[in-house]
Amino acid sequence: GAGVSQSPRYKVAKRGQDVALRCDPISGHVSLFWYQQALGQGPEFLTYFQNEAQLDKSGLPSDRFFAERPEGSVSTLKIQRTQQEDSAVYLCASSLRGGTVYGYTFGSGTRLTVV
Amino acid sequence: GNSVTQMEGPVTLSEEAFLTINCTYTATGYPSLFWYVQYPGEGLQLLLKATKADDKGSNKGFEATYRKETTSFHLEKGSVQVSDSAVYFCAFRGYSTLTFGKGTMLLVSP
Repeated sequence: GAGVSQSPRYKVAKRGQDVALRCDPISGHVSLFWYQQALGQGPEFLTYFQNEAQLDKSGLPSDRFFAERPEGSVSTLKIQRTQQEDSAVYLCASSLRGGTVYGYTFGSGTRLTVV
Repeated sequence: GNSVTQMEGPVTLSEEAFLTINCTYTATGYPSLFWYVQYPGEGLQLLLKATKADDKGSNKGFEATYRKETTSFHLEKGSVQVSDSAVYFCAFRGYSTLTFGKGTMLLVSP
């Protein structure tokens, strides 16, 4: 597609529920990233894929967070047993390839509210 | 560790005023540097970038110069408009990931 598409746009979950957030990157983009943006803060890195390989997951805050990109295109970020501190905007971005030169194209994000 | 420090906001200006938003970074090597903008209710958009020392990135009247000596990448605009009201994020890219500052809100009044 023309841009990075994320769904749902908004998600309200009861504490303890599992949620799945979807990201559809720009066609042909090799690199895919997930970021978490708390209210009033800058985005914080969660995890990075190159094609289907998850090369860096050092930013995932706990083992309740899991991400996958099985066919090297669409990615899903799953949060199990959601907690209130998980409330944030989850941003997905894609990049043509790895390396230091390329900027990212971001999606509009999924705003997760845990009640 | 790697980090980006931006001036705290909000920055409040009148239309046609001069804008500077300071940004300094701590990183190994010489990363690519970026400014992203987030308009109300929208996602992050790349505003400009610079990939090596002394490069100047520019877009929509905004400019920033990659200063290796001072590890800075300050954002400037000569004459701001009401439509520039947004949150601005400075960032650098290491090998793969972007590291962002906390953002600076700009409010421009007519």
